[in-house]
Amino acid sequence: ETGVTQTPRHLVMGMTNKKSLKCEQHLGHNAMYWYKQSAKKPLELMFVYSLEERVENNSVPSRFSPECPNSSHLFLHLHTLQPEDSALYLCASSPRTGYGYTFGSGTRLTVV
Amino acid sequence: AQSVTQLGSHVSVSEGALVLLRCNYSSSVPPYLFWYVQYPNQGLQLLLKYTTGATLVKGINGFEAEFKKSETSFHLTKPSAHMSDAAEYFCAVTLSSGSARQLTFGSGTQLTVLP
Repeated sequence: ETGVTQTPRHLVMGMTNKKSLKCEQHLGHNAMYWYKQSAKKPLELMFVYSLEERVENNSVPSRFSPECPNSSHLFLHLHTLQPEDSALYLCASSPRTGYGYTFGSGTRLTVV
Repeated sequence: AQSVTQLGSHVSVSEGALVLLRCNYSSSVPPYLFWYVQYPNQGLQLLLKYTTGATLVKGINGFEAEFKKSETSFHLTKPSAHMSDAAEYFCAVTLSSGSARQLTFGSGTQLTVLP
């Protein structure tokens, strides 16, 4: 257990479904991140939140919608996904942006 | 801006042999450098990091890395490979200053340990 908990661990969804990924940290960190890890590709930073404000959005399609209600929780809302969105989605947190990341175990998402 | 290049997407070594995973970086300011390990279906776990001070840093599981500014490198080594070291390894860099810091990862190196 790293201190960053992601649920669910595995998710299979249809292209018309709506689902959410959850990330929770109790490390007292002020920054949280979503990364996408696809096979044979580098880790892609999707979103960065610092003190609950979104500070980075790397041209992610609008079918991915993040939410950070407080400094301990981060969600990724998913709707009308495509098969190419199938990947491991990793959440991380850090005391401040860019340093001291702790990663969760990830959610393995399969879009069918 | 910063970037990381990991040379060799796959490395195979025999059990007991030296492990050497290569990482070169580019950074506009002094960097902070990291190595992470990822086991199948798991997140990334920090192996070691360099921020300031001693350029040879020791991490968990017997790994170490040396920051060489003149070569812009941060190669990861372990004297004797163990079967449990088989995993994917990621080098990462962030800037030591600036308001827009983010961690940038290399493409990863898959380490296979042969019996």
